[in-house]
This record gives sequence, C-alpha cells and structure tokens, in this order.
Amino acid sequence: SQTIHQWPATLVQPVGSPLSLECTVEGTSNPNLYWYRQAAGRGLQLLFYSVGIGQISSEVPQNLSASRPQDRQFILSSKKLLLSDSGFYLCAWGRDPQSEKLFFGSGTQLSVL
Amino acid sequence: GNSVTQMEGPVTLSEEAFLTINCTYTATGYPSLFWYVQYPGEGLQLLLKATKADDKGSNKGFEATYRKETTSFHLEKGSVQVSDSAVYFCALRVDSSYKLIFGSGTRLLVRP
Repeated sequence: SQTIHQWPATLVQPVGSPLSLECTVEGTSNPNLYWYRQAAGRGLQLLFYSVGIGQISSEVPQNLSASRPQDRQFILSSKKLLLSDSGFYLCAWGRDPQSEKLFFGSGTQLSVL
Repeated sequence: GNSVTQMEGPVTLSEEAFLTINCTYTATGYPSLFWYVQYPGEGLQLLLKATKADDKGSNKGFEATYRKETTSFHLEKGSVQVSDSAVYFCALRVDSSYKLIFGSGTRLLVRP
C-alpha cells in the first residue's frame, strides 16, 4: 500500500533562517506531488506541484522554492524565512488529474518568529 | 476565478444531531467537487466527491449533492457521532487541472 511521510510535524524558526521540509512517498512510482499551505483562517493554497523528477510548477510567487531530486521525494525550501511564511504545510500525492484523488501527509506546522 | 467558500466553524453538536456544513463555489468550466476530512493528528482524506450536476456523493453516512443552480455542495449527515469530530474541507477542481482549490475548512466538534 502507498504511504506518504512528511516531517517535521512542528517547526519553530526565526525570521531570516533557512527552511527545508521533506516529503517522501512509498509504494508507488512516478506520482504527481504537491505542496499546499494553509494560513490561519484561510483555505489550502497550492504552492507547487511536480509531475516528474526535476519538474516543478509554481502556482504563486513567494519566498519559497521546491525541488524533486528523486521520484518519490519532494522538498520545500526557503533561504530566508519571513513572518508571513508561518502556516500549516501539507504534502500530497496523486496519480493523475483524472483520478480526482489526492493523498495527504499529516502536515507541518511552521511558526516563524 | 475559481474559489470555494465554506461556513466558518467551529460547529459544535451533540451526538446524534443533524449536521450541515455549507459550501458554495465559483468556477469557470465544469468543476468536480469534493469533501475532504482531517481527523486529529492525521492527514486529509477524501470523504466523498461528485463530478457533475445533480450527482450525490456519499460515504460513511455523509452526503453532498452537486447543485449547479445554487453553486453549492453542502455536506450533511443525519446523525453525527463523537468520532466525526474533525476538520472538513470543501474543494473543487476544474476540468483536468492539477490544482485542487480548497475552502478554509470547518471544524466539527461532536459532544457525547
């Protein structure tokens, strides 16, 4: 069966520090991978998605970047965190748009102070 | 643009009460509609979906009907249980886009 791992679960970082959140998927190959963010009181916003190794699409301009160094690994990064980067970050994977189903990790609560 | 609006929570109910969580949407094209649920300490899971007007999605006693005339996809359950306490997200996807657009989530708390 397929599983998705995301870590850490919580993270407190000072403004200006770097960020690296990692997500890995097991039990499937060539998944589509997604990073979502939920800011307080707002919906889940798609940040990045990837349909293959090294292929990253960015949905919104921001202080974050994403990379996919391996088929089942998706990394969210920042060189210098801003206060506005605080939020709940969710990684997800799906087979293709027509499958209409995403599988989510348990999320990372990031607090930038 | 495409967006989802759902009622603010938290919604607090007693066990066996009737549940409605409102969800309305705006979309270009022909969206598919979803409800996802996030139980405490877990990731989001697909609860139910509907892909065209008048379709009814159902799962675990929950139902939602795709109403094109009112652009709504309200989630209902006839008798909630304590184990239904979670955050519920309404979402849409337009055509074959990779992007799922979510509402802000509604927290449901069911008391025994």
